[in-house]
Amino acid sequence: GAVVSQHPSRVICKSGTSVKIECRSLDFQATTMFWYRQFPKQSLMLMATSNEGSKATYEQGVEKDKFLINHASLTLSTLTVTSAHPEDSSFYICSALEGSYGYTFGSGTRLTVV
Amino acid sequence: SQELEQSPQSLIVQEGKNLTINCTSSKTLYGLYWYKQKYGEGLIFLMMLQKGGEEKSHEKITAKLDEKKQQSSLHITASQPSHAGIYLCGADISTTSGTYKYIFGTGTRLKVLA
Repeated sequence: GAVVSQHPSRVICKSGTSVKIECRSLDFQATTMFWYRQFPKQSLMLMATSNEGSKATYEQGVEKDKFLINHASLTLSTLTVTSAHPEDSSFYICSALEGSYGYTFGSGTRLTVV
Repeated sequence: SQELEQSPQSLIVQEGKNLTINCTSSKTLYGLYWYKQKYGEGLIFLMMLQKGGEEKSHEKITAKLDEKKQQSSLHITASQPSHAGIYLCGADISTTSGTYKYIFGTGTRLKVLA
């Protein structure tokens, strides 16, 4: 089956620094990947849709300059949280879409900004 | 407004009791997925429903999709503490630009008292 690897699984960073989260499709090519954020006791909220070779489509209310998404290849999408602040502390998860397998999710990244 | 509404938002039941979680959309769903999750952890895929009127069961969990493909229910029989967690429905939703995005329901937090 399809596997999506997300790295790191946990990260702690200082306020004001940037953090990059990677999402890789290991055995398939994904033209489309999705990034989600989850706060405690809440559901997974779609942040943006990442398309290989083009700009990401951000959901309303998500700052594109703060959450930089790069999907430079068919197997890798990255989410960079720039100038992170404690309110950015959250659980981030990605998913990749591939025709045969449908949607496959990464295992998530727990970000803590101190 | 949320495109996929779940009810109830949270649920506390005594061990052994049955319970039902609902997921409702204002649009026709092309595929409805159910997941279980704990905050900060990955998604556990439970079931996928595609056809109107479809019903699937796995162990003590049964999921149904109505004929109009706009509402799904997840039923747990004889609940156990191991059933506790966040239950999420997920589905493809068409966008105004003609593409699709994958979103989650508002979530239901289940607690089972021993």
